[in-house]
Amino acid sequence: SQQGEEDPQALSIQEGENATMNCSYKTSINNLQWYRQNSGRGLVHLILIRSNEREKHSGRLRVTLDTSKKSSSLLITASRAADTASYFCATVINQAGTALIFGKGTTLSVSS
Amino acid sequence: DSGVTQTPKHLITATGQRVTLRCSPRSGDLSVYWYQQSLDQGLQFLIQYYNGEERAKGNILERFSAQQFPDLHSELNLSSLELGDSALYFCASSVRGTGDEKLFFGSGTQLSVL
Repeated sequence: SQQGEEDPQALSIQEGENATMNCSYKTSINNLQWYRQNSGRGLVHLILIRSNEREKHSGRLRVTLDTSKKSSSLLITASRAADTASYFCATVINQAGTALIFGKGTTLSVSS
Repeated sequence: DSGVTQTPKHLITATGQRVTLRCSPRSGDLSVYWYQQSLDQGLQFLIQYYNGEERAKGNILERFSAQQFPDLHSELNLSSLELGDSALYFCASSVRGTGDEKLFFGSGTQLSVL
């Protein structure tokens, strides 16, 4: 079962534009993580935001977390063709406690 | 390179067969996770081990089993394979296995059941 659900499922933009992906989740969380997956490769961790944080930055990435709405967003600024990938949010379901559960992801295509 | 090693990279087998996927975690990581990724189901959590003990169980079928050995490498055994088991199987590792740290993923084993 999925805990997080990303939106949109697919996003196509031009190089230089910003890309925003959203994630909604169902249960209370301690933290939320974002990962990137290039086609057919392993996932790579991008950023972790804790439940007491509202915003976090890492290079061209900006992640926000709204625990009252049970949602998070990932903003990639000034997108590059190399940002083309699938992006996943992941959280721990409290019942499971320790295992990250991933959403179905947003597929981002950046064209030059 | 994440430091997580999965073998083999590709596996082609027939229905009804049994296969073993192997994972070596990053040096120093005590926890190993297994995930299955398919187009229709997305990335599904199967099972997690910490220092040789099962810590969390997800959507793992009874035909599947796993274990983590004293040297911390892990194996995922898939038996009585069906066409629907064709998927990309990922192993990931982390230091403490507590859910509040990042995971490092291997490059996966692509399983094709014919």
